[in-house]
Amino acid sequence: NAGVMQNPRHLVRRRGQEARLRCSPMKGHSHVYWYRQLPEEGLKFMVYLQKENIIDESGMPKERFSAEFPKEGPSILRIQQVVRGDSAAYFCASSPTAGPFEQYFGPGTRLTVT
Amino acid sequence: GDSVTQMEGPVTLSEEAFLTINCTYTATGYPSLFWYVQYPGEGLQLLLKATKADDKGSNKGFEATYRKETTSFHLEKGSVQVSDSAVYFCALSEGSSASKIIFGSGTRLSIRP
Repeated sequence: NAGVMQNPRHLVRRRGQEARLRCSPMKGHSHVYWYRQLPEEGLKFMVYLQKENIIDESGMPKERFSAEFPKEGPSILRIQQVVRGDSAAYFCASSPTAGPFEQYFGPGTRLTVT
Repeated sequence: GDSVTQMEGPVTLSEEAFLTINCTYTATGYPSLFWYVQYPGEGLQLLLKATKADDKGSNKGFEATYRKETTSFHLEKGSVQVSDSAVYFCALSEGSSASKIIFGSGTRLSIRP
């Protein structure tokens, strides 16, 4: 059973461009979570989604950031008009049910904004 | 709000030394507590967990006991190996159905042969 997959693993964008980060959950998992890790810091919760629904977006910045988890295909975290402060590692986790016990993390996407 | 504080790193030890990484938490309810490990270039892996007071989580020689009276969840291992070199994160989540995990800032551990 393949684990949580994220791509790309590394992404370089210039200021003002858009970044799209993809997350394919583990097979059979319908709950997806996104976290951001700034350099030398812990992970910060951003958003929790189920198929076609955003359940909790309390950690998402109010502007430029959006997330979706369509009926078919991976979950997408989209950052519009990136700025240097968006440079971070973005981790996706998935679980078969709601809750923290069974969140399985992907390897992360490291975004660098130049 | 809820938060987790863990000892700053980096921590450098010799192989076979005893390890303690301190972790304390602040929470309004009765959280579940976790230790995650992140090896270089990889995502986080759940190392161990405890869901109620006095529970002891253990895995791969690591242990941590949920201490409600001191709001602590210190990570210990009796004899570390070079392969234990990684970043360790203490974390909590409120309730069994909560979706959000709150992480500490991480402690980098390096083990010398």
